[in-house]
Amino acid sequence: SYELTQPPSVSVSPGQTARITCSGDALPKKYAYWYQQRSGQAPVLVIYEDNKRPSGIPERFSGSSSGTMATLTISGAQVEDDADYYCYSSDSSDTHAAFGGGTKLTVL
Amino acid sequence: EVQLVESGGGLVQPGRSLRLSCTASGFSFGDYTLMWVRQAPGKGLEWVGLIRSKAYGGTTEYAASVKGRFTISRDDSKSLAYLQMNSLKSEDTAVYYCTAGSGSFDCWGQGTLVTVSS
Repeated sequence: SYELTQPPSVSVSPGQTARITCSGDALPKKYAYWYQQRSGQAPVLVIYEDNKRPSGIPERFSGSSSGTMATLTISGAQVEDDADYYCYSSDSSDTHAAFGGGTKLTVL
Repeated sequence: EVQLVESGGGLVQPGRSLRLSCTASGFSFGDYTLMWVRQAPGKGLEWVGLIRSKAYGGTTEYAASVKGRFTISRDDSKSLAYLQMNSLKSEDTAVYYCTAGSGSFDCWGQGTLVTVSS
């Protein structure tokens, strides 16, 4: 199996920058994807292929990856960004994928 | 409208079987890898497994927690995917999502609840 590690929680005030990290051994070779999940809803893709933003996702969402760590950055977090965030990637042989344990972002 | 719809969830006794279906519409289903993801009550997302498109061999991969018990298949002519779940355990209780995507294209169903209990 493959594991991705995220901090359980991050808390910021509105307008501040939130950073959520994701560590995994294969991240130097494999893309990271980031999902936002609000309570009771299906996940929504906010970053794909490390640092690309799907259409419709606000510009304040950005991603980066260096070595074994990927980072989701929300610049100027808004109250509506309060949600769970999950990273996703696969192992180097593409035989196993994984989601990180999830990070609860509180914007308060 | 681009859409995935799961069906087949419900209450099942431990040790029994259940088959979930995932119906796609609004996109070229056969071009994409299809993945099953589950979420136990109050817990995070867990990757269950995937089936690649025919262009990539149509092969499957599974999480260690379900390998040997769960089987993923697809019928591209009907834009359908299946998750056959055998020897179910209480720890398989979760909302099961199907998802398909590549690059910026990413589609999820609304999920179907599977409860394993006597």
